[in-house]
Amino acid sequence: DSGVTQTPKHLITATGQRVTLRCSPRSGDLSVYWYQQSLDQGLQFLIQYYNGEERAKGNILERFSAQQFPDLHSELNLSSLELGDSALYFCASSPDGHQQETQYFGPGTRLLVL
Amino acid sequence: AQKVTQAQTEISVVEKEDVTLDCVYETRDTTYYLFWYKQPPSGELVFLIRRNSFDEQNEISGRYSWNFQKSTSSFNFTITASQVVDSAVYFCALSTNTGNQFYFGTGTSLTVIP
Repeated sequence: DSGVTQTPKHLITATGQRVTLRCSPRSGDLSVYWYQQSLDQGLQFLIQYYNGEERAKGNILERFSAQQFPDLHSELNLSSLELGDSALYFCASSPDGHQQETQYFGPGTRLLVL
Repeated sequence: AQKVTQAQTEISVVEKEDVTLDCVYETRDTTYYLFWYKQPPSGELVFLIRRNSFDEQNEISGRYSWNFQKSTSSFNFTITASQVVDSAVYFCALSTNTGNQFYFGTGTSLTVIP
């Protein structure tokens, strides 16, 4: 158990809908990362937050947004969902968000868009 | 540009055999960090090891060992006397000063046959 929690574990929704994925980092970690894992794209970095502020952005679509709250939990919002958004979404955390730090991953949220 | 290549897509071995998973990385940064993660069938990503670019000493942890060679830009992972529980997808990742994200390889799926 990495100490990172993610809810829900599974999510089934329809195209065009909007969903919110939630992540709580390990105790003491200030930085949160979001990744998407799909069969065709592999593990792709989406976005990073540090202490409530966006720090780095990867291959995140405009239909997707995220935020980190004062209690350090983070939410990833996916809107206007398409079939291709079906994937495993991971949250990871690290103490200070520096490049040398190990990122500890949550169990993931499996999203299925029908 | 940063890149991680795991040329072996799938490997099958018989239990108790040794197996080496290859990882080749590309970066122009002189300071960087390399990681290995394990993704068992249950789906979570489990951290295995972190190495920095200044430490080429090989590391052994039980049946696991890692060989880091800057001359060939490789960070290979060997499992000795493989067990069925080692069956998983293994990912190599790179982190550098350029950006605050991990660059993941495409993973190697290891199947250990009893």
